[in-house]
Amino acid sequence: DSGVTQTPKHLITATGQRVTLRCSPRSGDLSVYWYQQSLDQGLQFLIQYYNGEERAKGNILERFSAQQFPDLHSELNLSSLELGDSALYFCASSSLLVGGRVDTQYFGPGTRLTVL
Amino acid sequence: AQSVAQPEDQVNVAEGNPLTVKCTYSVSGNPYLFWYVQYPNRGLQFLLKYITGDNLVKGSYGFEAEFNKSQTSFHLKKPSALVSDSALYFCAVRDDGGGSYIPTFGRGTSLIVHP
Repeated sequence: DSGVTQTPKHLITATGQRVTLRCSPRSGDLSVYWYQQSLDQGLQFLIQYYNGEERAKGNILERFSAQQFPDLHSELNLSSLELGDSALYFCASSSLLVGGRVDTQYFGPGTRLTVL
Repeated sequence: AQSVAQPEDQVNVAEGNPLTVKCTYSVSGNPYLFWYVQYPNRGLQFLLKYITGDNLVKGSYGFEAEFNKSQTSFHLKKPSALVSDSALYFCAVRDDGGGSYIPTFGRGTSLIVHP
């Protein structure tokens, strides 16, 4: 158990709908990362938040957004869903990254999104 | 820019035999290298990392990885494979010469250990 929790575990919805995925980082971790894993694209980095602020952006669609709250949990919002958004969505967390210090990312169990 | 390659989509090995899962990388500065394992329907689990120091890094579950700067490789190894090692393995790299703290992940290698 990595200490990162994600809810829900599974989500089935229809095209055009909007969903929210939730992540709670490990105790003490300030950074949260969101990844999308699909068979054809592999593991794609979406976005990172550090202590409530957006820190880095990857291949995140405009239909997707995220935020990190004062209690450090994070939510990933996916809207106008398309069939191709069906994937596993992972959250990871790490502690402070400054001055080149390298921290390990610890991953949650993921949310499997199925868009019908 | 940083990149990582896992040249084998799948590796097959018999139980009890040594296993190697290959990873090569490209960075402009010094590499920080990671290995993760993913079991079916689970998240990625951290195995080991190389930052600096000894080229042979020991990690969880008896795995180790060898950093080779001249060959820009970071292969994952285990002396004796178990059927329970069957999983998807990801290599990741972060370039200390770049501005991003986000590691780049390889596409993964499926390890199948046959009884």
